[in-house]
Formats: sequence, structure tokens, C-alpha cells
Amino acid sequence: DIQMTQSPSSLPASVGDRVTITCQASQDITVSLSWFQQKPGKAPKLLISDASDLAAGVPSRFSASGSGTDFSLTISSLQPEDIATYYCQQYDILPYTFGQGTKLEI
Amino acid sequence: QVQLVESGGGLVKPGGSLRLSCAASGFSFSDYYMSWIRQAPGKGLEWISYISSSDRSSTTTKYYADSVKGRFTISRDNAKNSLYLEMNSLRPEDTAVYYCARDDGSRIWDYWGQGALVTVSS
Repeated sequence: DIQMTQSPSSLPASVGDRVTITCQASQDITVSLSWFQQKPGKAPKLLISDASDLAAGVPSRFSASGSGTDFSLTISSLQPEDIATYYCQQYDILPYTFGQGTKLEI
Repeated sequence: QVQLVESGGGLVKPGGSLRLSCAASGFSFSDYYMSWIRQAPGKGLEWISYISSSDRSSTTTKYYADSVKGRFTISRDNAKNSLYLEMNSLRPEDTAVYYCARDDGSRIWDYWGQGALVTVSS
């Protein structure tokens, strides 16, 4: 199975901060990577697909990049509603696998 | 608008069975692959199964994670716009919120249901 490793596991941040989360795959997944945002008690929400394509309705302060094994998600100016846990997920090879999550905290 | 609504969760004893349903609306259900993903309490996300759309002979392709293979069965009823997950030989480690999700055709889960909690405990 492809292992997805996110860092950090938790990230203290303040409103207005620029925050970056990284995700590393255990093997080359080209650009077959999604990022999801999950708030407590809610279903995950798709933010990014194909490593860098913003999903419909997602604010432009979210951006992502990467290919192969190294990926990142950046929030350019953190807003209060962005406090959540973020997951990367590869869909290159079955079984599809997720990173362990990064929890943004105030 | 696209809606996915899971039902059928609950408390079941180890070794027991449960059937989850996912009612889809707002899109042409038969044209889409669908997946089940679960999340144990306080833990991360785990993909467990997907089912393809039906071909002309109504045949579907199904895949399972090793953790559920041989115990869980995914199915769909396009006439009822519904996705199912039959879960047998349940174990305490199957305790989780189970989400159904739509695959947009490129293995990307663009819509998710609200989840159904399954608790396996004696």
C-alpha cells in the first residue's frame, strides 16, 4: 500500500497567518492527490484534486502544488472558518490511502 | 443539488451484521462510481470499498480494502438511486462513522454524505 505522511500533525496558527501543510507519498503518485478539509462532526470536503486544482466554491486563499512524492497545501491568510483537520489522499493505486491528518489550532 | 444520505447505522454485537444504505439524489446515480469510506472515533479516514457504474450488461466492478475483504459487500440499485454496504462478522475495530462518497469519474470524491455511525460492542 502507498503510505501518505503528513506534517505537521498539528499546527498552531493565528488568523491572518500563511500556513503550509506537507504530504509525502511512499512512491510516485504523479499528481493523483486530493486535499480534504474536515470540521468536527462533519463530512470531509474536497478542496483540491489532481494535486493543484481548486474544487468549485473553494476560496482562492487555498492553493496546492506538487507531483511525484512531495505535495503541499497552503492557506495564504488563515481565516477563523479554516480551523479544521486537513487530509491528503492518493488515488493513483488501490487501496486509496489518506495521510493521518493535520489539525489546525488557534 | 447533489445529496447523499446514509442510514442504517447503529449498535451491533461482535460477530453481528448490519446493512448501510446511501440514498442519492440530484445527479444521474447510475453513471457514477461510488465509494464507502470510514472514520473510527478520533482517528483518520480509511477507504474501504468502491463500486463502478454498471456496464451495458449491468455488470459492476468492486474493490475492497484488505481490512474488510470477505466480510463486507458493496452493491447498488440504480432503480432506487441507492448504494449499500452489507457488513458481516463485525468486529469492535469496525466501529466508525461510515461515509458514502461520489466519484466524479476521475477517482475524485467530490460529494460525501453526512455519515452513519456503526458501533460494534457487546
